Amino acid sequence: AQRVTQPEKLLSVFKGAPVELKCNYSYSGSPELFWYVQYSRQRLQLLLRHISRESIKGFTADLNKGETSFHLKKPFAQEEDSAMYYCALSTGGFKTIFGAGTRLFVKA
Amino acid sequence: ETGVTQTPRHLVMGMTNKKSLKCEQHLGHNAMYWYKQSAKKPLELMFVYNFKEQTENNSVPSRFSPECPNSSHLFLHLHTLQPEDSALYLCASSHPDDTGELFFGEGSRLTVL
Repeated sequence: AQRVTQPEKLLSVFKGAPVELKCNYSYSGSPELFWYVQYSRQRLQLLLRHISRESIKGFTADLNKGETSFHLKKPFAQEEDSAMYYCALSTGGFKTIFGAGTRLFVKA
Repeated sequence: ETGVTQTPRHLVMGMTNKKSLKCEQHLGHNAMYWYKQSAKKPLELMFVYNFKEQTENNSVPSRFSPECPNSSHLFLHLHTLQPEDSALYLCASSHPDDTGELFFGEGSRLTVL
């Protein structure tokens, strides 16, 4: 079965500390993975996708097919990074499956 | 207005009522989606329409009835709902050639009494 797991509901770090939001997926085909973010009082929006392999707002994510993971990382967290982060898996066609989300709280 | 717009933003209804949620997008997309977001659960895909044709129905109960009259508008008709249907209903759209990037509305918060 296709599944996206985000094991942490809440992650709290201090400003300037590294942050890693974990995501594991279950899918037998060739996955396309994404991170979406929802800032306070804003709508859910795409942060980055694995095929673009680019850094957005200092965040990067590498697809590890061996470990079926797509963890989101940032070396130095900022207060404005506080938000809800969702990992998502596209299985082709129009089906995108989301994880339950991780709330990141960056403390001053 | 650009982007994806959902109305109403909040809706309270009784179990015997009939109501509808509306979604409109001005992004030139041809694919539109309904997702359900319940507390402490992942977003659940409900329906997908591509060029007005339904391509996904994720085993959604018939008390939810979608309608897509054109590529810019999507409705979710609600009838005889249950309290457990209370949730945030999110509409999204995408370009059919890039279904990975979903553009979301702000959602309609539904409470069923």
